[in-house]
Amino acid sequence: AQKITQTQPGMFVQEKEAVTLDCTYDTSDQSYGLFWYKQPSSGEMIFLIYQGSYDEQNATEGRYSLNFQKARKSANLVISASQLGDSAMYFCAMREGQGAGGTSYGKLTFGQGTILTVHP
Amino acid sequence: DVKVTQSSRYLVKRTGEKVFLECVQDMDHENMFWYRQDPGLGLRLIYFSYDVKMKEKGDIPEGYSVSREKKERFSLILESASTNQTSMYLCASSFVRGGNQPQHFGDGTRLSIL
Repeated sequence: AQKITQTQPGMFVQEKEAVTLDCTYDTSDQSYGLFWYKQPSSGEMIFLIYQGSYDEQNATEGRYSLNFQKARKSANLVISASQLGDSAMYFCAMREGQGAGGTSYGKLTFGQGTILTVHP
Repeated sequence: DVKVTQSSRYLVKRTGEKVFLECVQDMDHENMFWYRQDPGLGLRLIYFSYDVKMKEKGDIPEGYSVSREKKERFSLILESASTNQTSMYLCASSFVRGGNQPQHFGDGTRLSIL
């Protein structure tokens, strides 16, 4: 079963507008973490934002925020005031097995990615 | 800043060759990972290592092996390269107690097997 699902292969947004990139996940663990990465055309993976399963507040980092809905198992990335430089591939990823006494060695499971294009 | 360095950005090899991809990190991370990235499939874990000389299979280890003789270096080996191993390969590292610490990635190696 797919553990991380990104249902939007491609998204388009006008410069200065906000955009939401969807991510749903599947896990039976109570303790887990969710990450978003950005991959420009040059190929490097840039860490954007993290949400822990026990975090009560939605994570925010500058123009990035994470809309975390635990009951729905969704962790959507919201980019406010889009810029041309935001055009890239975006990946959602999950780390499981962070519970007491256990470790997943930090392994991540990635979604398929969403290509975001920002139009001027 | 964490630096993860992969030895080549682009590599072209022939079918049947033994191919080595090298990765070095400078942040004393215990964990190191090798992924391959293919369109529509995201990143898939090939192998990872949580300590020197320790290795664990990921989701797609077939046709690959790894070596970690020093903490800072993690090598991916294609024993006998095949055309279906043409892909983008990404190395990453992180601390063993992950928590909210992200994995840090290298710039990737685009490998073509002819």
